[in-house]
Amino acid sequence: GAGVSQSPSNKVTEKGKDVELRCDPISGHTALYWYRQSLGQGLEFLIYFQGNSAPDKSGLPSDRFSAERTGGSVSTLTIQRTQQEDSAVYLCASSPVITGTGDNEQFFGPGTRLTVL
Amino acid sequence: AQSVTQLGSHVSVSEGALVLLRCNYSSSVPPYLFWYVQYPNQGLQLLLKYTSAATLVKGINGFEAEFKKSETSFHLTKPSAHMSDAAEYFCAVRGGSYIPTFGRGTSLIVHP
Repeated sequence: GAGVSQSPSNKVTEKGKDVELRCDPISGHTALYWYRQSLGQGLEFLIYFQGNSAPDKSGLPSDRFSAERTGGSVSTLTIQRTQQEDSAVYLCASSPVITGTGDNEQFFGPGTRLTVL
Repeated sequence: AQSVTQLGSHVSVSEGALVLLRCNYSSSVPPYLFWYVQYPNQGLQLLLKYTSAATLVKGINGFEAEFKKSETSFHLTKPSAHMSDAAEYFCAVRGGSYIPTFGRGTSLIVHP
């Protein structure tokens, strides 16, 4: 079946421009995560959506970063006034319904490689 | 609170040799533990997970990991490395939160 998809796969932009990154989760998955992956830094959590609950935005590094999830499915991560330090791979992941056990695995998309010149 | 430490940013082995990737965690509650693999230009893929059913967990591609509570460890092993195992490996912990914490990753290099 279809996995998590992300677009674009690569994005090159100039410093100061705004960018939008898109994530299509697996159908029926209610949980959606955004991460940032920088070289040698592992995965940095950005934001978490679960169903119709208010998102957990505790990982967003600044107010230039925002995300929304429409209709409980597609999500868009927006970075305003991009800076060179925003260059990284942005990964999206989804999970099925979160049960009380919390052992659900995450299904990751291939990522969007963002380069800010 | 939860955290993960992966010892060694790079591990190099010969083809056919034992693979051992180390992961230590901390968690204030009984944790769920995961190992993911990332091949170049791809997202992460689940190798295996510990959910308290059994301390020795078998995953895909011949990998396994053993949960040791006394050592707060969840090391990943494979008896015989293949060239195709060369990738980045991430350990993750989820303890009392729906947001897992990932380690910094270990790059596995396999020499012919």
